[in-house]
Amino acid sequence: EDQVTQSPEALRLQEGESSSLNCSYTVSGLRGLFWYRQDPGKGPEFLFTLYSAGEEKEKERLKATLTKKESFLHITAPKPEDSATYLCAVVDSWGKLQFGAGTQVVVTP
Amino acid sequence: DADVTQTPRNRITKTGKRIMLECSQTKGHDRMYWYRQDPGLGLRLIYYSFDVKDINKGEISDGYSVSRQAQAKFSLSLESAIPNQTALYFCATKDGERQPQHFGDGTRLSIL
Repeated sequence: EDQVTQSPEALRLQEGESSSLNCSYTVSGLRGLFWYRQDPGKGPEFLFTLYSAGEEKEKERLKATLTKKESFLHITAPKPEDSATYLCAVVDSWGKLQFGAGTQVVVTP
Repeated sequence: DADVTQTPRNRITKTGKRIMLECSQTKGHDRMYWYRQDPGLGLRLIYYSFDVKDINKGEISDGYSVSRQAQAKFSLSLESAIPNQTALYFCATKDGERQPQHFGDGTRLSIL
C-alpha cells in the first residue's frame, strides 16, 4: 500500500536555528515528489518537485533533497515568516497525488 | 485576482441539506481536482476531472458528486450533508502530467 509519512508533526525553532523535515514514502516506481507550504486560511502553495534520487532543489532558505525512500526539507537560518505547515506529496502507483499529514513549523524571534 | 477561486469561503449548514461548493480557474488548465483536508489526515482526493467529459472518483467519493460545467468550472455537491463531512475543502488545477497542482484557498464547511 502506498504511504507517505511526515515527521515530526510539529517543530518549534528559534530564528536562525536550522533544521530538517522528513518525508518517507512507500511507493513503487516514484513518479514525482512535491513539497508545498500551507499558511493558515490558505491553500497549499507549491515549492518544489523532485523526480529522481540524488536530486536537490533550493529556494531562499529552503532546500529539498530526495533519496529512494525519503525526502528532506532543510530550513537554513529560518525567519518567523517561514512559519507554516509544510506538506509532502507523492505521485502514487495510480498517478494520483498522495499527501502526508504535514509538519507544522513555528519560528520564534 | 486569484488563479483558482473557491466559493463560498465559509459555510455553516445543517444535517440533510444539499450543498454546492464552486471552483473556477483562470489558469486555462484542463485537469481539476477536489480534496478534503482533516486535521492529522492530510489532503484526500474526492473527485478529479481531466476535461469537461471526463469525471473520475477519488479515494473518498461516497456522499459527494461533481459537475464540470466548463473547462474553467468544477463544482462539488453534498447531496445530503452529514456532520462527518465537516472539513476544509480544496480545489486544485494542473496543467500536465509532470506539473504541480495549484490550489485555491479552500472552503471551510461545518455541518451541524
